[in-house]
Amino acid sequence: DAKTTQPTSMDCAEGRAANLPCNHSTISGNEYVYWYRQIHSQGPQYIIHGLKNNETNEMASLIITEDRKSSTLILPHATLRDTAVYYCIVRVADGGTSYGKLTFGQGTILTVHP
Amino acid sequence: NAGVTQTPKFQVLKTGQSMTLQCAQDMNHEYMSWYRQDPGMGLRLIHYSVGAGITDQGEVPNGYNVSRSTTEDFPLRLLSAAPSQTSVYFCASSYSIGSGNTIYFGEGSWLTVV
Repeated sequence: DAKTTQPTSMDCAEGRAANLPCNHSTISGNEYVYWYRQIHSQGPQYIIHGLKNNETNEMASLIITEDRKSSTLILPHATLRDTAVYYCIVRVADGGTSYGKLTFGQGTILTVHP
Repeated sequence: NAGVTQTPKFQVLKTGQSMTLQCAQDMNHEYMSWYRQDPGMGLRLIHYSVGAGITDQGEVPNGYNVSRSTTEDFPLRLLSAAPSQTSVYFCASSYSIGSGNTIYFGEGSWLTVV
């Protein structure tokens, strides 16, 4: 699996944009980047995913660099309820023992302050 | 979390007892899986299924059995519970195993083996 590197923790002021970086320098051309978050041992919540192009949905934006070796998750207006562990995951595209599996690393603990 | 239902939410077992964790989804997803999460660790894949009648092992399958008789249900059976199986269990599903298909998680089942 392509390994991801994320900062251990980040802080953000409520109402400001939260920008969470992720490095995935060994990503293959057909592997997707996924972002999930987990709040207080609840089930992981899907946020967004992308392959090459930048993506936006009602929760967040995903910016993927042109060489695909890194990406940034942007929460445009962070709220206290966005405090959670955020996981950046590279998902294997084809076959092999890791196919279909999400490999969760340690993630980034995002704390949103009032 | 969209459409993945786990029961029970909490369970205490004695060592050696058996039990089944239930998982159901109403999204007509072909791919279903079970993960466990231990304190301070990421999720680890136990078993998965790519369709009714088809199951396969993940990275930590020992002590667990699964079956997939219908598209909707994917129960996880603990054959003889051990304290090492104390964990939070998450069921997940997606339309298919392909990497562009979003995986959705249930809310989790907290299991304590004493």
